[in-house]
Amino acid sequence: DAMVIQNPRYQVTQFGKPVTLSCSQTLNHNVMYWYQQKSSQAPKLLFHYYDKDFNNEADTPDNFQSRRPNTSFCFLDIRSPGLGDAAMYLCATSSFQDKNEQFFGPGTRLTVL
Amino acid sequence: AQSVSQHNHHVILSEAASLELGCNYSYGGTVNLFWYVQYPGQHLQLLLKYFSGDPLVKGIKGFEAEFIKSKFSFNLRKPSVQWSDTAEYFCAVRDSGTYKYIFGTGTRLKVLA
Repeated sequence: DAMVIQNPRYQVTQFGKPVTLSCSQTLNHNVMYWYQQKSSQAPKLLFHYYDKDFNNEADTPDNFQSRRPNTSFCFLDIRSPGLGDAAMYLCATSSFQDKNEQFFGPGTRLTVL
Repeated sequence: AQSVSQHNHHVILSEAASLELGCNYSYGGTVNLFWYVQYPGQHLQLLLKYFSGDPLVKGIKGFEAEFIKSKFSFNLRKPSVQWSDTAEYFCAVRDSGTYKYIFGTGTRLKVLA
C-alpha cells in the first residue's frame, strides 16, 4: 500500500546532541510537511516543501532544519535539542492533484534526556 | 492569523449516544475543511473533507459534518457512537490559496461500553 513512513518511531537523544528524523513516501506527492505535536496540543506546522521549494514557518526555531533530497524523502534535523523539543514529530504529504487531502505518517516520538 | 477552535477538549459518552463536536475557524477567504481522527497508537486519518458544494458532508464510519459559512463552523456529528469511536478528533482548515493546514487542539472522545 502506498504510504508515509517515518523512522525511527521512537528516538531518544541527549540534550544538545543533534538528531535526524526521516520520512519517506510512496505516494509521489509533491508537498511534504513536518509538524510538531506536544501532548494535548494541536499539530504545529514547522515547515513544508512544495517540490524543492522550502517554506519555513515564521515561528519555527532556527534549531530546526529540513532537507528534501528527492520527491520520496524528507528529513528533519534538530541541531541542538533542548528539553522543550521533546514531542511527537509528524510527517505528512499532499498532492495538488488529489484535492489536497493530507496523508500522515505514524510519527516519531522524540525524548530528550 | 488563521485559527481553529475546538470547544470540547474531552467528551465522554455512552454507546449509542449522539455526538457533536464543535469546530470554528477564523478566516474570511475560501477554505477547505477537514476532520481527522487519531485512534490510540495510530496515525492521523482523514474522516471527511469539505471543498465545495453540498455543505453536509458524509465521511467514513457514519460520521458527517456540516459547513455553515455564516458561522465559520464545521461541526462533526454521528447519530450513534460506538466504543470503537474512542479516539482523538482534530478539525483542520486550509486556505485554498496555500498548502498550509491549521489544526485545532483536538477533542478526546471516550465512549463507554
